[in-house]
Amino acid sequence: DVVMTQSPLSLPVTLGQPASISCRSSQSLVFSDGNTYLNWFRERPGQSPRRLLSKVSNRDSGVPDRISGSGSGTDFTLKISRVEADDVGFYYCMQGTHWPYTFGQGTKLEIK
Amino acid sequence: EVQLVESGGGLVQPGGSLRLSCAASGLTFSTYWMHWVRQAPGKGLVSVSGIKNDGISTFYADSVKGRFVISRDNAKNTLYLQMNSLRAEDTAVYYCATGFSSAHWGQGTLVTVSS
Repeated sequence: DVVMTQSPLSLPVTLGQPASISCRSSQSLVFSDGNTYLNWFRERPGQSPRRLLSKVSNRDSGVPDRISGSGSGTDFTLKISRVEADDVGFYYCMQGTHWPYTFGQGTKLEIK
Repeated sequence: EVQLVESGGGLVQPGGSLRLSCAASGLTFSTYWMHWVRQAPGKGLVSVSGIKNDGISTFYADSVKGRFVISRDNAKNTLYLQMNSLRAEDTAVYYCATGFSSAHWGQGTLVTVSS
């Protein structure tokens, strides 16, 4: 199975400051169709996960452009340019290229 | 609006069985690969089983292989997960989600395995 390794696992951030989460995979996530199926989700207590980014950097509807994704191959990053209170939650990367799909361990973003 | 609605969770004794369902609407279900994701209390997300849109190809996490069976009925727009020989460590909220891009998730159904 593809192992997804996130860091850091805990991310205390001051409001208005930037934040960055790393996600590394044990194998390349480039699929045979040329796409890289690396997604980012945010989960809040009592809610289902919500997808923020797909195929590395494609923002979902309603996701502010403060949130961006980058990377290729096995190394990916989610960045928030200026953290707001609404950004609090657990962030997960997930690869959808290889079966079984696998998630990172999760990163808890909280306000300092 | 896309909706995925899980049902079938509950309390079951170790060694027992449950069948989860996920009813889909607002999307062309037959074109989507689907998977089941679980989250044990205080833990992260784990994809335990997936199925291609044609219902033929499937995958299972090692932790459930031989005990869980995923299936789908495209005519009924419904995904299933038959869970047998349940163990305490299967206790979790189970979500269904659309496949490799997982754009859509259900609200989850709680499965508790306890005597």
